[in-house]
Parts: sequence; structure tokens; C-alpha cells
Amino acid sequence: GAGVSQSPSNKVTEKGKDVELRCDPISGHTALYWYRQSLGQGLEFLIYFQGNSAPDKSGLPSDRFSAERTGGSVSTLTIQRTQQEDSAVYLCASSAAPGGTEAFFGQGTRLTVV
Amino acid sequence: SQQGEEDPQALSIQEGENATMNCSYKTSINNLQWYRQNSGRGLVHLILIRSNEREKHSGRLRVTLDTSKKSSSLLITASRAADTASYFCATDWGGAQKLVFGQGTRLTINP
Repeated sequence: GAGVSQSPSNKVTEKGKDVELRCDPISGHTALYWYRQSLGQGLEFLIYFQGNSAPDKSGLPSDRFSAERTGGSVSTLTIQRTQQEDSAVYLCASSAAPGGTEAFFGQGTRLTVV
Repeated sequence: SQQGEEDPQALSIQEGENATMNCSYKTSINNLQWYRQNSGRGLVHLILIRSNEREKHSGRLRVTLDTSKKSSSLLITASRAADTASYFCATDWGGAQKLVFGQGTRLTINP
């Protein structure tokens, strides 16, 4: 596709349920990032994939959070046993090369845990 | 984990004035980028400055970088109402390749 695509755009889930958020990066981009942004706050780094290297998971807030990237393309961020504090906008970005190049962002998934 | 801190957190000016935002970071970097965000959704890349550059221009944007002070500034000249947005700096954190963002400056341009 022409840009980074995220789905769903909005997700409302009940506390304790699992959710999956999807990111389709720009074709050919080797780097993929996930961030979390609470209302009015900055971007909190979650996880970074680069090619076939082991992902940098240093930003994942707890073991309820996990992410995978299949075939070097599509990525899924999974949050298990969701809590109200997980409510935020989850942003995905991709870039043609590691951290030193321009990142292209999707429009995000707004997650609301009720 | 956050790398940068923007200053001020919020800035409100009149249309036509210049807006200056600052960013400080903690580790050595290869480059620094500035992004813009409208309405709390996707960010748009504005400009990238490499660690061996001191100043860069793009249209009404001027970015400076002082690696000795670990700081950067973004100047928007002749501001317009459409410049109202949040602005973030981002760096590769200590060459670790992941892209880490600051807390952002919320800029409001009053017509």
C-alpha cells in the first residue's frame, strides 16, 4: 500500500479480554516500530523490529504485551488480560532503514478498555 | 523510556510570529528528527539533521543542533493557523537504532 495501515481504527474492549492490533508497513520497509500514546502525552516506545534481527522489546510495559512480525512485513501487537490503564492510542511506524531515517506513521488504533 | 524533553510543553502565539521549540536529549546520537502531529493521530516527518550538521532549513522551518549541549531547536517562521499541532523531536537512542521520542510541544497559533 501507499502508506502504513493500522487496524482497527478504534477498539473498545472489556477489562480482562485480549486484543490484537495490526500494522501493515510500507512495502520493503525493514524497520517497524510500535508506540503507545496516552491522551496529551508523548510517544512511549514499545518495541522495534529490524529485518531478521531479534526485536528490541525493551519498552514493553509488562508480560501482558507481546508483538510479532511475520515474514518481515505485517506486525501484530497483542495485549492480554487488558486493564483500564492500557487505554491509549497505539501507533505503528515503519522506515526503510534503522532508526536514523524518516519514519512513516499509521493513523493509530485508539484502544478503550471499559 | 524517553530520550528527549521538549521545551516549552505548550506555546501560544499570534499568527505571523515566529515559534521556537527546544529539545534536549540524553545520549550520543547519529541524527535528530522533528515530527508534527495533528489531532493525536499519526505523525508526519518534518526534517532530519545529522550529528555533524549544525543547522538545516526546509521552507519556513529552521533546525539547529548543538551536540555539545545535547540540544536542538525548531524555529517556524511567519506562523500560520495551520501550524497548530504538537511537535516532537526524535533520536536514535545512543546509536541503538530504535527511534525514541520526546514529550512534545503543543503549539497553538491564534488568528
